[in-house]
Amino acid sequence: GAVVSQHPSWVICKSGTSVKIECRSLDFQATTMFWYRQFPKQSLMLMATSNEGSKATYEQGVEKDKFLINHASLTLSTLTVTSAHPEDSSFYICSARGTGFVEEKLFFGSGTQLSVL
Amino acid sequence: GENVEQHPSTLSVQEGDSAVIKCTYSDSASNYFPWYKQELGKRPQLIIDIRSNVGEKKDQRIAVTLNKTAKHFSLHITETQPEDSAVYFCAALRRGGSYIPTFGRGTSLIVHP
Repeated sequence: GAVVSQHPSWVICKSGTSVKIECRSLDFQATTMFWYRQFPKQSLMLMATSNEGSKATYEQGVEKDKFLINHASLTLSTLTVTSAHPEDSSFYICSARGTGFVEEKLFFGSGTQLSVL
Repeated sequence: GENVEQHPSTLSVQEGDSAVIKCTYSDSASNYFPWYKQELGKRPQLIIDIRSNVGEKKDQRIAVTLNKTAKHFSLHITETQPEDSAVYFCAALRRGGSYIPTFGRGTSLIVHP
């Protein structure tokens, strides 16, 4: 089946630094990538939607200059948390939609646990 | 936009009992309804899904039912086991590249041995 690879799986960084998270679709073309943030025992909170080659659409309340999303190709999307602060500590997860028979379905990355000291 | 309500938020059962989680949706255009199981710190795993042209689907101990008229769908787990303990999410989607999937708030299922 379709696979989305997400790296890193966990990262610890100092406050003020930037962290890049990558999601790659391994055997399908991810036309749309969704980026979520999740707190323990809570639902997935959509941060932004990106389509290949276009600017990301951010949800209300999500700072686009802080959470930079790039979807430069049909197999790679990145989320960069700039000038990270402790309140940015969370579980970040991507999910991808493709075309054709997988169009309806979502395929999730394995998630990235970010801890900002 | 779509709105998905999920109940209950927490469900505690004894091993061997059945568990039922319910979701309602608001957009009649939604036509694909997956259920995900998520363990702590891991990705949501698709466990079963149903399309709007089907009323019920079963896969071993797991089943999903869909009532299009009432706009609700339910997850049924029979003969629960401790390893079924996790958070379960429902979602409503439809074809169309720009359509944003909507998730329920999640149900924390605890199966006591």
